[in-house]
Amino acid sequence: DQQVKQNSPSLSVQEGRISILNCDYTNSMFDYFLWYKKYPAEGPTFLISISSIKDKNEDGRFTVFLNKSAKHLSLHIVPSQPGDSAVYFCAARDSGAGSYQLTFGKGTKLSVIP
Amino acid sequence: DTGVSQNPRHKITKRGQNVTFRCDPISEHNRLYWYRQTLGQGPEFLTYFQNEAQLEKSRLLSDRFSAERPKGSFSTLEIQRTEQGDSAMYLCASSLELWGTGELFFGEGSRLTVL
Repeated sequence: DQQVKQNSPSLSVQEGRISILNCDYTNSMFDYFLWYKKYPAEGPTFLISISSIKDKNEDGRFTVFLNKSAKHLSLHIVPSQPGDSAVYFCAARDSGAGSYQLTFGKGTKLSVIP
Repeated sequence: DTGVSQNPRHKITKRGQNVTFRCDPISEHNRLYWYRQTLGQGPEFLTYFQNEAQLEKSRLLSDRFSAERPKGSFSTLEIQRTEQGDSAMYLCASSLELWGTGELFFGEGSRLTVL
């Protein structure tokens, strides 16, 4: 049973336009949500996070929006750049689990076309 | 380089052999995690340590998998009697804060290929 779902395996966007990556979750105990970026043959790299008590967090070109009632979050990248092409993973932390491990979605492969 | 270091980066082995992966976390981090990632999937949690104590190991995939973290520094993940289904990327991550942003710092991974 997947607690974190990324329903779009891939997304193609023109350079300069906005990329929107979506994520849904089922566990109401998640207290932090994170986005990681992964290039082939490398480990995931942290991008941005948001606390469950907030609805928006912004860092440069990256903004994450959280809709708790819908159990949905999204990552906006604007403007998109070719170097943003990678697999993006949505992850969530359950502080009640004790281990504070992250639960990941399956990822969305973003391709930014020059 | 003060990031998480994993060795070897790639291991090719024959079915039935034992393999061991090593992870050196960021030095001041007391929490260490092992994840597995297979093709088309996100990282899957396996086990974690707080200092030298392994506090969660129920998600290890079978009794062929074991992990240690002697002295609370580096960690090893051993897979005994490897099977083809063990082929995957094994990721190590570390963290320090409990109440921070939740960020885990990942290494570059150790890719296992079982022939």
